[in-house]
Amino acid sequence: DADVTQTPRNRITKTGKRIMLECSQTKGHDRMYWYRQDPGLGLRLIYYSFDVKDINKGEISDGYSVSRQAQAKFSLSLESAIPNQTALYFCATSAGQPYNEQFFGPGTRLTVL
Amino acid sequence: SQKIEQNSEALNIQEGKTATLTCNYTNYSPAYLQWYRQDPGRGPVFLLLIRENEKEKRKERLKVTFDTTLKQSLFHITASQPADSATYLCALDDTGGFKTIFGAGTRLFVKA
Repeated sequence: DADVTQTPRNRITKTGKRIMLECSQTKGHDRMYWYRQDPGLGLRLIYYSFDVKDINKGEISDGYSVSRQAQAKFSLSLESAIPNQTALYFCATSAGQPYNEQFFGPGTRLTVL
Repeated sequence: SQKIEQNSEALNIQEGKTATLTCNYTNYSPAYLQWYRQDPGRGPVFLLLIRENEKEKRKERLKVTFDTTLKQSLFHITASQPADSATYLCALDDTGGFKTIFGAGTRLFVKA
């Protein structure tokens, strides 16, 4: 079984709809991340969490919110989706220091019409 | 803020040759630098890490160098194979070591 799973894998929605992307991990890591990837822009950090009670904004958090329901679960929500949020979204985990190697999920392809 | 630059143009090479990818960074002196491989539509996979006090790191056909004076890392794949075709991402730690900053990646095509 995959260490980091994401659901759904693909989603098409309309402008203004609320969307939730879910991430689960079995690696036992405390740190979890949400990234978005757009062609030519690389991975950009949306939110990150170092434990259940710790949530931090990344470089592009506007329009997004997150919830860390448990050590193993980290959800990303788009309260009111807009077309420029169309992208590939990745969840990742890490054990943290010293080297913070990231383990990524398979991604969710989100299209907002 | 930290900035990472990778060649946005795809690299096309012949099977058996050595592929060399470049990663330049500015405004920061990272404690370490990582390289990841990403296949189309899939999540990145960690390949190698090199620390600031290491000049070179090897793993099978992969070699990474780290020049802190030039603020540059080179990623080499020797005896390249078509299966090596993918996008390769460079990443470094941020100032506090809390986050990882990724470059946009360089697409590699290895022709048989």
